[in-house]
Amino acid sequence: DAGVTQSPTHLIKTRGQQVTLRCSPKSGHDTVSWYQQALGQGPQFIFQYYEEEERQRGNFPDRFSGHQFPNYSSELNVNALLLGDSALYLCASSSLRQPQHFGDGTRLSIL
Amino acid sequence: AQKITQTQPGMFVQEKEAVTLDCTYDTSDQSYGLFWYKQPSSGEMIFLIYQGSYDEQNATEGRYSLNFQKARKSANLVISASQLGDSAMYFCAMSRPSNTGKLIFGQGTTLQVKP
Repeated sequence: DAGVTQSPTHLIKTRGQQVTLRCSPKSGHDTVSWYQQALGQGPQFIFQYYEEEERQRGNFPDRFSGHQFPNYSSELNVNALLLGDSALYLCASSSLRQPQHFGDGTRLSIL
Repeated sequence: AQKITQTQPGMFVQEKEAVTLDCTYDTSDQSYGLFWYKQPSSGEMIFLIYQGSYDEQNATEGRYSLNFQKARKSANLVISASQLGDSAMYFCAMSRPSNTGKLIFGQGTTLQVKP
């Protein structure tokens, strides 16, 4: 039973570029959440997708957008990258009455 | 607003001993969930244990137990018989009523297990 998978594992971009991160949820899960984790900090909630719609959003600018596909997989897009966007991006999937399970994350570095 | 506070930046424990990691929370909700996650240096976030605010019994999962004191708004994690593989960062988190709601995380506690 595959868990949550994220790609790519690592990514290096320069300021002003755009990036797309991908996430496949654990089998049987229909809800996907994205978190940003800066070095030495706890993860911060970006947004959550359910039934292909954004259900909740954290305190992140519109440069951060997402999408959920009919197979429940999800993408996180970040436009106009800033140095401060360097972080570990974690995807978590869940379903009703199940705790969120996380992927291994994508480590994004902005030069 | 919901808030999680973990006051221990780092902890040491001898192998095979028990250790308690502290977590206090603040919320005005009557219904909420409390979680503990483990994050090894490799980065993945591993779910350990869950406690619902209306659960009367403290949650247990193998060597992990959650000491839930609702009146004190604390949800401490107890790890019994520590193993070298327990060395990692530990995060306490909470969510609103549904288990699928967004998680609010604390700053984390780094645990090092000594042989």
